[in-house]
Parts: sequence; structure tokens; C-alpha cells
Amino acid sequence: QLVESGGGVVQPGRSLRLSCAASGFTFSHHGMHWVRQAPGKGLEWVAVMSFDGDNIYYSDSVRGRLTISRDNSKNTLYLHMNDLRTEDTAVYYCARVQRWEGLLDALDLWGRGTSVIVSS
Amino acid sequence: SLVVTQQPSVSVAPGQTARILCGANNIGSYSVHWYQQRPGQAPMLVVYDDDDRASGIPERISGSNSGNPATLTIHRVEAEDEADYYCQLWDTGSSHWVFGGGTKLTVL
Repeated sequence: QLVESGGGVVQPGRSLRLSCAASGFTFSHHGMHWVRQAPGKGLEWVAVMSFDGDNIYYSDSVRGRLTISRDNSKNTLYLHMNDLRTEDTAVYYCARVQRWEGLLDALDLWGRGTSVIVSS
Repeated sequence: SLVVTQQPSVSVAPGQTARILCGANNIGSYSVHWYQQRPGQAPMLVVYDDDDRASGIPERISGSNSGNPATLTIHRVEAEDEADYYCQLWDTGSSHWVFGGGTKLTVL
């Protein structure tokens, strides 16, 4: 399973770090994504990191402000969020790439999400 | 960058067939994945690589992608199928994952 944490209420311009703890599978052999959903809106892809950390892609809306990382020794995925904006307000989900050591595959395991509210 | 479109809503009576569409330029050249999101829940994979059902998904749910649009078909619709459905694909041109805007399936 995947369990996100670290969300909360934060002022614009501040920083936050989200975590996603993985269990029950070999985390170090799966690519991982962050996907977010603003209140009442659809899903928006944020970032993906390959199983070994060598390949990373970001959406244009977050590149340069949000950084994905992972610690395979701790079975944990992170999203470092800097210079937060009101439009970053959303539920943030982590999700697993389906195929072993794959990257461009479907997302077959999702966490329940953690809520980030950016407000003054 | 690639634009992926879905109809905002579909309504069907129980027992009927729902077709949820996913459109994009040259979509037949992409692998399309479909997710179901029930109210208050996380998304769940239902179909991957155009037409493969995810684990535990009933056979009455199927996907196809033989041209524009790609389609998620739900036969013999049940109340539990009421949810938002999203298609997703990898845009090789921009190296971005793209979700469609989602389709809300209402079971009358």
C-alpha cells in the first residue's frame, strides 16, 4: 500500500514536504508518480521518477518549484514543494507504475492522498 | 502539447451500456489507460494499454483504441459504476503524462 503524509495549510511562498510510504511490494523496482486534484477538479499529473531515480519528468506548471525524490532504503517517495501558490491547493496522490522497472506504464496502485491548502 | 478531451458527463439507466470517450490527435498511436474514481476515493486503474483489464475488474468493462476516440465501454451498468472516469496517456512530444478532463458517469 501507499500512504501519503505531510499535507496541511501553508501560506503562499512557503515550503512543504510530502511523503509517500510504500509497503507490501518491492518499492526500489517501481517508478513512482505524484498526481494532484484541486477541489472539484480533475486529475493533474505532477511528476514521475524512475525506479532508480535516473529519469525524472515534471509538468510545466510545477517545474522549478516542486521536486520529486525517493529514498529506496526507506521505501519512501517525496515531493518537495517550494514557493507554493494558491493554485497548488489540491489533494496530492502518489501512485505506482504498474510494470517492474517501467516508467511509461499505467498506475496500478494509489495512495489515499494528502491535502495541501495554500492560503494566507 | 497534446490535448486530451472527454465528454463531461454520461447518464445511463441500470442494465444499459455506457460509452466513455477519450479524444486526442492521432490517439490510435498512443497507449491509453483508464481510471475510475468513486466519490471521496482515490483513483483506481480499470483498463491499461488500451484494452487490458486491471486485476479484479469485471469482464463487462472493456477498452478499445482503434482510432479517434478511444473508448471505455461498460456493459450492464450497475449503481456501483457511478463514478468519474479519466483517460491517461503519455505524450512523447512533451514527455508529459496527460489526463483527460474526466467524465462523470451517472446511473439513473
